[in-house]
Amino acid sequence: DIQMTQSPSSPSASVGDRVTITCRASQTISTFLNWYQQRPGKAPSLLIYAASTLQTGVPSRFSGSGSGTDFTLTISSLQPEDFATYYCQQSYSIPYTFGQGTRLEIK
Amino acid sequence: EVQLVESGGGLIHPGGSLRLSCAASGFSVVTNYMSWVRQAPGKGLEWVSLIYSGGSTFYADSVKGRFTISRDDSKNTLYLQMNSLRAEDTAVYYCARDSSVTVFGVFEDYGMDVWGQGTTVTVSS
Repeated sequence: DIQMTQSPSSPSASVGDRVTITCRASQTISTFLNWYQQRPGKAPSLLIYAASTLQTGVPSRFSGSGSGTDFTLTISSLQPEDFATYYCQQSYSIPYTFGQGTRLEIK
Repeated sequence: EVQLVESGGGLIHPGGSLRLSCAASGFSVVTNYMSWVRQAPGKGLEWVSLIYSGGSTFYADSVKGRFTISRDDSKNTLYLQMNSLRAEDTAVYYCARDSSVTVFGVFEDYGMDVWGQGTTVTVSS
């Protein structure tokens, strides 16, 4: 199985900050990498698919990059509603696997 | 409106069985890839099972041989039959539409773009 490792685990940031979350795959996955946001008590929602394509309706302050084994999710200017948990997920091979999650906290 | 609504969760004793349902509206569960994903209390997301539009099914090792994914075209509903339940199966179970497609053998990834609200399964004596 492909292991997905996210860092940092629980960063703290302020409204207006630029934040980058990293996701590393245990083997190359090309660009078969998706990012999800999950707010407390809610279902996950898709932010970015295929490593860098913004899902329809997602604000442009979110962006994704990377290929192979290293990927990043960047939020250019944090808004109050962005304080949530973020997960990466590989769809390169089955079983699909998620990163352990990055919980973004308010500083 | 494109929507998924899960049902069927509850409290079940270890070794018991439960069937989860996921009713879709606004799209067909048969012409899309569909997945089940679960989240244990306070934990991260874990992919459980996937059914392709062509009918092929896939499972996480942790549930293989115990869980069965299926769908009913006439009811536009996805199911997860869970047998031999264990305490570690306790989780919120989400169904999700995976909009990825395979075109002439080439997989195009579009991610899991529609999620249900989740249904809670608690396995405890």
